Amino acid sequence: QVNLLQSGAALVKPGASVKLSCKASGYTFTDYYIHWVKQSHGKSLEWIGYINPNSGYTNYNEKFKSKATLTVDKSTNTAYMELSRLTSEDSATYYCTRGTYFDYWGQGVMVTVSS
Amino acid sequence: IQLTQSPSLLSASVGDRVTLSCKGSQNINNYLAWYQQKLGEAPKLLIYKTNSLQTGIPSRFSGSGSGTDYTLTISSLHSEDLATYYCYQYNNGLTFGSGTKLEIK
Repeated sequence: QVNLLQSGAALVKPGASVKLSCKASGYTFTDYYIHWVKQSHGKSLEWIGYINPNSGYTNYNEKFKSKATLTVDKSTNTAYMELSRLTSEDSATYYCTRGTYFDYWGQGVMVTVSS
Repeated sequence: IQLTQSPSLLSASVGDRVTLSCKGSQNINNYLAWYQQKLGEAPKLLIYKTNSLQTGIPSRFSGSGSGTDYTLTISSLHSEDLATYYCYQYNNGLTFGSGTKLEIK
């Protein structure tokens, strides 16, 4: 069965960076793009960007181009998103999801930016 | 493309027929999906390509629409349908609507 398992919650200081992981199982990792989505508390969903696990090609929402960096490790079927220069505006739950239709989602990881 | 969902809050009774709306700022060409998000959970895909029901989703959920206007219908509301519903377009860029919170009376 398809599963996207995300790393645990993170508490990080303003100005720091954090790297989130999303380990895929139950399907061929390179067959589906991995997307990342942000959800601030009580708010709607924002698409951050996607990565093609086969080629490493990335495409970002303009809003997140200087904030997020997407990578993959095909040897471990894991996608990563690094968020840099964190501020309170980056405090949110982040999801990974796959494919054109976002048919499977990770459980989400809460990132809290606080000193 | 911006998506406007209405209403933002909907209160309905078990057994009611419920209709949620999603309007695009431009033609979406039927590249529209719907998600259900229950409190504390990840979104779940209900409908893709306007009217294709995702595997395992009850048949009381259906989607329709064209151009800029799309609709999610729940034919007979169940108590477990309490959730926020989001539309999402993947025709031109990738954007989500602001959501409709569905409450059970």
